[in-house]
Parts: sequence; structure tokens; C-alpha cells
Amino acid sequence: QSALIQPPSASGSPGQSVTISCTATSSDVVGSDYVSWYQYHPGKAPKLMIYDVTRRPSGVPDRFSGSKSGNTASLTVSGLQAEDEADYFCMIYGGNNWVFGGGTKLTVL
Amino acid sequence: QVHLVQSASELKKPGASVRVSCRASGYTFTSYSLFWIRQAPGQGLELMGWITTNTGHPTYAQAFTGRFVFSLDTSVSTAYLQISSLQAEDTAFYYCARLKITEFDSWGQGTLVTVSS
Repeated sequence: QSALIQPPSASGSPGQSVTISCTATSSDVVGSDYVSWYQYHPGKAPKLMIYDVTRRPSGVPDRFSGSKSGNTASLTVSGLQAEDEADYFCMIYGGNNWVFGGGTKLTVL
Repeated sequence: QVHLVQSASELKKPGASVRVSCRASGYTFTSYSLFWIRQAPGQGLELMGWITTNTGHPTYAQAFTGRFVFSLDTSVSTAYLQISSLQAEDTAFYYCARLKITEFDSWGQGTLVTVSS
């Protein structure tokens, strides 16, 4: 059982917005502001999309945004595009430990 | 541009050993720690541990002590993961990743290790 709970799937039509949640259950990571999100296509290297809850690395479209409320972090993808279809997982650093979410498969309908 | 390139997939028999490599390019190798992460079939990601590249000091997560060894060859900017006495439960994708500050800003493409008789 992961210490970070994500929904197994999410979906949206092109142009819509979709939000993926990541809920912390471990005391080590609840309250941490070191939340990052990764996009993963099977067989390829995962790609950092969001770090420090809200920050975007250079080159990541501003359609991707992050937020946090209480013990739940969220990744929102606005203006969905076909290329956004992928797995997404969260990670939180806290208490000298890195914890991963179980991953969410995003389907663009 | 930062790149981490991992070695090809491996098929091993139970009891054998395997070494997975992770070759870095595009940055000063000894400036960032490299982490190893496992994803078993149908399972989530597990942090195996990391190696501090300027000292070569490895740190192992509790579940990955004993049969797992992290090492470096700084002359070729490469990190290695060696697993001995392979068991069927070791069948998984193994990833290396570079730690920027608290996030992993670059990942290898993953190496599938299959353990089967």
C-alpha cells in the first residue's frame, strides 16, 4: 500500500481540464512542500512535469499546473491534448525519504 | 542536455547475478547523486536507494540491503546496480534517476530484468 494515494485512472476530452490527486497518508510526507509530478510513457524515461508543488521545469507547457491543499496535492492538465495521454505519478520528499504514488493513467477520449 | 542511458534488458536464471548500468552525459557526473528505483510488474515505484557520486557512498533502503550493490565508474560517468542471487521476485523494471534538489529531474529509460528458469 503506497503512502501516496492516486486514483488509478482519469480521463477527459481534448480541450477539457482534468485534475489528478495525490493524497499523503504517511506522517513523514504530510505537510511536505516538496511535491513533484512525473509523466510516464511505458518504455520511456519518466519526465519531470512539476516540482516544489507548483513549479514547472523549462520546456513543460503551462497547461500543466500543480497545487496542494492539506494532505492532498493535485496536478491539473488544462486544454487536454492527445499527447497528454500517459501515466502520471506523484512523489513527495519528507523526513529524508522519497515516497511515490501508485500512478494514474490519463486517457484522452 | 542531461541524459541517462541504461543498459539493455536482461534475462537471467534464478541464483544468477546481473549488473545494470546507467551512463550519464550532459553534466558534471559527480555533482548530483544518482538514485535507483524499482517497478515490479503491476506494482508501484519503490525507492531502492542512492549513491553519492562525489564520494561513492551508497545508501540502501531497508528492503534492498544484502543482495543489492550500487557502484560507480566516474571515468566513464556511469553508475551500476548489481543484484546477486536473483529471485523471481526481482523481475522488474529498474530505473536510475538524477536528484536535482528534492526532485528527480532526469531519468533513465529503464532496464527490464527478468528472472526465469
